Amino acid sequence: DADVTQTPRNRITKTGKRIMLECSQTKGHDRMYWYRQDPGLGLRLIYYSFDVKDINKGEISDGYSVSRQAQAKFSLSLESAIPNQTALYFCATSQGGSGDTQYFGPGTRLTVL
Amino acid sequence: GQQLNQSPQSMFIQEGEDVSMNCTSSSIFNTWLWYKQDPGEGPVLLIALYKAGELTSNGRLTAQFGITRKDSFLNISASIPSDVGIYFCAGYVPGTASKLTFGTGTRLQVTL
Repeated sequence: DADVTQTPRNRITKTGKRIMLECSQTKGHDRMYWYRQDPGLGLRLIYYSFDVKDINKGEISDGYSVSRQAQAKFSLSLESAIPNQTALYFCATSQGGSGDTQYFGPGTRLTVL
Repeated sequence: GQQLNQSPQSMFIQEGEDVSMNCTSSSIFNTWLWYKQDPGEGPVLLIALYKAGELTSNGRLTAQFGITRKDSFLNISASIPSDVGIYFCAGYVPGTASKLTFGTGTRLQVTL
């Protein structure tokens, strides 16, 4: 079984709809991250959480919110989706410490019409 | 935000050839990571580098942490069709609390 899972894998929605993307991990890591990937732009950090009570904005947090329900679960919400939020979304986890290595989920492809 | 310049953007090579790609930054990094992303999947870690000058291998892959701490290189020897994918460099700027900065990727295509 995969260590980092994301649901759904694909989603098509309409402008203005509320969308939630979910991430679960079995790696026992404290740190979790949400990234967005657009063609030619690499991955950009949306939000990150170092433990259940710690939530931090990343590079591109506007239009997004997150919830860390438990050590193993971190969800990303788009309160009112817009077309330029069409992208690939990845969740990642890490243990923390010097030289921290992040492990990625399989991604969610979101299309906003 | 911080940018990592990755080159080349894409490569089209023949099976059996060696491949080189690099990543440069205007800032010093204290960790360099190289990831590979297959179509429809998330990035998978290939090699992690933690010290300036470090040279690390993983099978046919070799990566180096540049002496200036502002660059890194990834080499793939004797490429095979399953090497196809997008390769990303990523790194941590000191003091940025585990916030990885990613390069824009090198798309590798291998022909028989």
